[in-house]
Amino acid sequence: NAGVMQNPRHLVRRRGQEARLRCSPMKGHSHVYWYRQLPEEGLKFMVYLQKENIIDESGMPKERFSAEFPKEGPSILRIQQVVRGDSAAYFCASSPLETSGVYNEQFFGPGTRLTVL
Amino acid sequence: GESVGLHLPTLSVQEGDNSIINCAYSNSASDYFIWYKQESGKGPQFIIDIRSNMDKRQGQRVTVLLNKTVKHLSLQIAATQPGDSAVYFCADLRGSNYKLTFGKGTLLTVNP
Repeated sequence: NAGVMQNPRHLVRRRGQEARLRCSPMKGHSHVYWYRQLPEEGLKFMVYLQKENIIDESGMPKERFSAEFPKEGPSILRIQQVVRGDSAAYFCASSPLETSGVYNEQFFGPGTRLTVL
Repeated sequence: GESVGLHLPTLSVQEGDNSIINCAYSNSASDYFIWYKQESGKGPQFIIDIRSNMDKRQGQRVTVLLNKTVKHLSLQIAATQPGDSAVYFCADLRGSNYKLTFGKGTLLTVNP
């Protein structure tokens, strides 16, 4: 069973360009989460999606950032008109159908390292 | 502000020694805590968790201790091995079963 897959692993963009980051959840997982990690920092929650629905985007910047998880295909995190401050590692995690437990365990992908020149 | 933070940014130990990584949290509403291991170039990997109604939980070579009185969490790794070298994060959940709040991390280096 393949784990969470993210591509590209490394992405270089110039200021003003668009960045598209893709995440394919583990097989059977229907929940996707995006996190951002700045250098020497912990991960910061951005957004939680289920198929065709954004459940919680409280950690997402209000401008230039958007996320989707279509019925078919990977989840996409899109950053428009990138700036140097967007340089970070972006991690995707997935989890199975919601459980009744305290925590619905998230399995993390290897991340996409975005560098904005 | 509410945060989950680490006392020490780096920890260096000899192979075979025990390691203790500490974490302080400020939100008394946190009800679930998780330790993650992140190796270079990889995503975080779940190690062990503990609920707020417990004060100790053991896994394979790892033990997590929770002291709610002083809002302190620790991860103990027994007989540390070179493969344990990584950044270790504590994270907590509050008010949901998915929104993880991570601390800054401690870099553990194991010397042969």
